[in-house]
Amino acid sequence: NAGVMQNPRHLVRRRGQEARLRCSPMKGHSHVYWYRQLPEEGLKFMVYLQKENIIDESGMPKERFSAEFPKEGPSILRIQQVVRGDSAAYFCASSPGTSGGEEQYFGPGTRLTVT
Amino acid sequence: EDQVTQSPEALRLQEGESSSLNCSYTVSGLRGLFWYRQDPGKGPEFLFTLYSAGEEKEKERLKATLTKKESFLHITAPKPEDSATYLCAVRRLGGKLIFGQGTELSVKP
Repeated sequence: NAGVMQNPRHLVRRRGQEARLRCSPMKGHSHVYWYRQLPEEGLKFMVYLQKENIIDESGMPKERFSAEFPKEGPSILRIQQVVRGDSAAYFCASSPGTSGGEEQYFGPGTRLTVT
Repeated sequence: EDQVTQSPEALRLQEGESSSLNCSYTVSGLRGLFWYRQDPGKGPEFLFTLYSAGEEKEKERLKATLTKKESFLHITAPKPEDSATYLCAVRRLGGKLIFGQGTELSVKP
């Protein structure tokens, strides 16, 4: 049973370009979460999605960031017009359902570098 | 405001020297406390979930315990391969995890 998959593992973008990060949850999991880990900082929640629905986007910056989890295909975190402050490791996690307190399993992350 | 504080920030142990990591939390409506291990350049690896005060869970040399205000991760007779950053997180109803800053553990042979 494959774990959470993320690609690309490393992404380099110039300021002003767009970054697209992909996440395929574990088999049987329908809930996806995105977290960001800035250098020397802890993991911070960004957004929680179920298939075709955004459940909680309270951690998403108001501008330039968007996320989706379509009926078919991976979840996408999109960052438009990237700036150097967007350089970070972005982690996706998945869980199977809606009952409280269940485990989230993390992918290997995408390390975004903005030059 | 929900908050998670881990201590110490860094811990150096000799192989075989047992110790504990602390995770203090304030959260309304706790729906689980989670421990993860993170190696450099990798994603967090799930270790334990604790749901209620008094609960304990064990895995190899690790044992996690939970009270109403804090959790401890006890490491018994650690080995160099236990070196990693250990992360604590709490979950409220709603799904998102709130992480502490982590404890960086180094075990020397």
